[in-house]
Amino acid sequence: SQKIEQNSEALNIQEGKTATLTCNYTNYSPAYLQWYRQDPGRGPVFLLLIRENEKEKRKERLKVTFDTTLKQSLFHITASQPADSATYLCALERYRGSTLGRLYFGRGTQLTVWP
Amino acid sequence: KAGVTQTPRYLIKTRGQQVTLSCSPISGHRSVSWYQQTPGQGLQFLFEYFSETQRNKGNFPGRFSGRQFSNSRSEMNVSTLELGDSALYLCASSLASIRDMERYNEQFFGPGTRLTVL
Repeated sequence: SQKIEQNSEALNIQEGKTATLTCNYTNYSPAYLQWYRQDPGRGPVFLLLIRENEKEKRKERLKVTFDTTLKQSLFHITASQPADSATYLCALERYRGSTLGRLYFGRGTQLTVWP
Repeated sequence: KAGVTQTPRYLIKTRGQQVTLSCSPISGHRSVSWYQQTPGQGLQFLFEYFSETQRNKGNFPGRFSGRQFSNSRSEMNVSTLELGDSALYLCASSLASIRDMERYNEQFFGPGTRLTVL
């Protein structure tokens, strides 16, 4: 089955720095990869999606890279702010014929940005 | 546009009982997925329904079941509850359209139902 590992359970950085979160996967090449943010007591919120044939995607202060050779995605938050503190989840899906497959989620990295 | 709603938000049951959770997806979304989230296991996929049919299923015992109605609303049922079933149960809806690759499986999550089994 698909295995997804996110680099660490917790990451603490200072405000203004760039946070870099890692997502590694094994066994299958995903059709695409998604990143979500989850705050305590709430459901995850979609942030970015990157396809297997894309190297990089940006949205405001967020950047995602996707290296299918390394089987790795990096998620960057530039100019981080305390409001960015949350758990970040990566999720991937592979094609299953002509239908959509299920999403596999990593266990998340808890990011804390301190002033 | 209203988001995904889940009812109830909190539930306390005892071992051996059964429970039914409800999810109303975003209007126009035909796919509804259910996940179980625990501190130890993270987000685990239960099943996905699309147009009233179960399209994908995770590795959970048969005590976990679900269904989807013609209006895309979905219910999840857990029978013979065990202590280990205590978790946050999340429902997510999506357009699940293959035509628009940028958006087709972006999941919109509800706030979840916190189930405690005593």
